[in-house]
Amino acid sequence: DAGVTQSPTHLIKTRGQQVTLRCSPKSGHDTVSWYQQALGQGPQFIFQYYEEEERQRGNFPDRFSGHQFPNYSSELNVNALLLGDSALYLCASSSQFRSTDTQYFGPGTRLTVL
Amino acid sequence: GQNIDQPTEMTATEGAIVQINCTYQTSGFNGLFWYQQHAGEAPTFLSYNVLDGLEEKGRFSSFLSRSKGYSYLLLKELQMKDSASYLCAVRDNYGQNFVFGPGTRLSVLP
Repeated sequence: DAGVTQSPTHLIKTRGQQVTLRCSPKSGHDTVSWYQQALGQGPQFIFQYYEEEERQRGNFPDRFSGHQFPNYSSELNVNALLLGDSALYLCASSSQFRSTDTQYFGPGTRLTVL
Repeated sequence: GQNIDQPTEMTATEGAIVQINCTYQTSGFNGLFWYQQHAGEAPTFLSYNVLDGLEEKGRFSSFLSRSKGYSYLLLKELQMKDSASYLCAVRDNYGQNFVFGPGTRLSVLP
């Protein structure tokens, strides 16, 4: 049973560029949440996708957008990258059907913006 | 607003017991979770409380008081591999949005 997978593992971009991060949820999960974790801090909620729609959103600008596909996998897109976007981006999956369960995290994508 | 507080750093000795506290003020509550995160890795689930009281799981226990907005994680018989950050997170009422605290970095010394 595959867990949550994310790609790529590491990414280096320059200011102003755009980036796409990918996530495949744990088998049987239908909900994907994205978090940004700066060094030494807790994860900050970006948004959550369910049934291919953004269901909840945290306090992030419109430069952060996402998508969920029919197979429940998801993408996070960040436009016009800033130095402050350098962080570990975590994807977490969960099941709406089993809403009392926890969410499971992927290994993360380390984004460095130069 | 949403606010979760934890101590930034703690140090303990191998074999000892350590308690990591978490206080929260959130607009909704549907469970409090503790995660362990080793440097450069993803958080892994440790424990979950939705009702008041103590939940025990091997060397780890977690306590919740909803009226006080307070939880703690108790780690017994500390091992070197327990050196990690410990994240307290509250799940909101509606979706499965988790609000995380800043994390407590625990160092276990020999």
